[in-house]
Amino acid sequence: GESVGLHLPTLSVQEGDNSIINCAYSNSASDYFIWYKQESGKGPQFIIDIRSNMDKRQGQRVTVLLNKTVKHLSLQIAATQPGDSAVYFCAERVSGGYNKLIFGAGTRLAVHP
Amino acid sequence: DGGITQSPKYLFRKEGQNVTLSCEQNLNHDAMYWYRQDPGQGLRLIYYSQIVNDFQKGDIAEGYSVSREKKESFPLTVTSAQKNPTAFYLCASWDTNTGELFFGEGSRLTVL
Repeated sequence: GESVGLHLPTLSVQEGDNSIINCAYSNSASDYFIWYKQESGKGPQFIIDIRSNMDKRQGQRVTVLLNKTVKHLSLQIAATQPGDSAVYFCAERVSGGYNKLIFGAGTRLAVHP
Repeated sequence: DGGITQSPKYLFRKEGQNVTLSCEQNLNHDAMYWYRQDPGQGLRLIYYSQIVNDFQKGDIAEGYSVSREKKESFPLTVTSAQKNPTAFYLCASWDTNTGELFFGEGSRLTVL
């Protein structure tokens, strides 16, 4: 909701610039990673995903990079727009079991005109 | 349109009262989940259900209960035993074909 973004790191960018949001994940056994966007007062929306056998995946204006060596995930947003302002968080799926996802706390992206 | 519907969107409760949050999906997904979201924290799993009439505790199940009598419905009861129930609650369902987790719009519970 409205208070989800409190106490989160904030990335401030100018409209039209590219944004890079980073995420460190915790489990070497994770085989699937997802980025979500959450606008104030709403549920998270799927943006893009990547499997552990890939290093990079591109979508429309978004690219996800996976570095398994250092357990790092990044989301790149090209030509950031005001509508991109939201909290972004990553999730990792630990292989096996019941599709358990572990979620990061998120980063607030603030786009300024 | 297909999706997940949570209700109510906002709910106020007095201490000591139980409250039930509704979650309905028409996506024909077998697996459903309840998460809790607090400011500055990642989503934490309360309960999940992989199929009708079955559910399992997540990481923070204490003070909560669920039922899964129908495929479409996975209500969450926040009981008086939950010590800090004020939070944003998210219901989700899993598409096993695409691996995508769909979320509802959330329910904000405030205990007065």
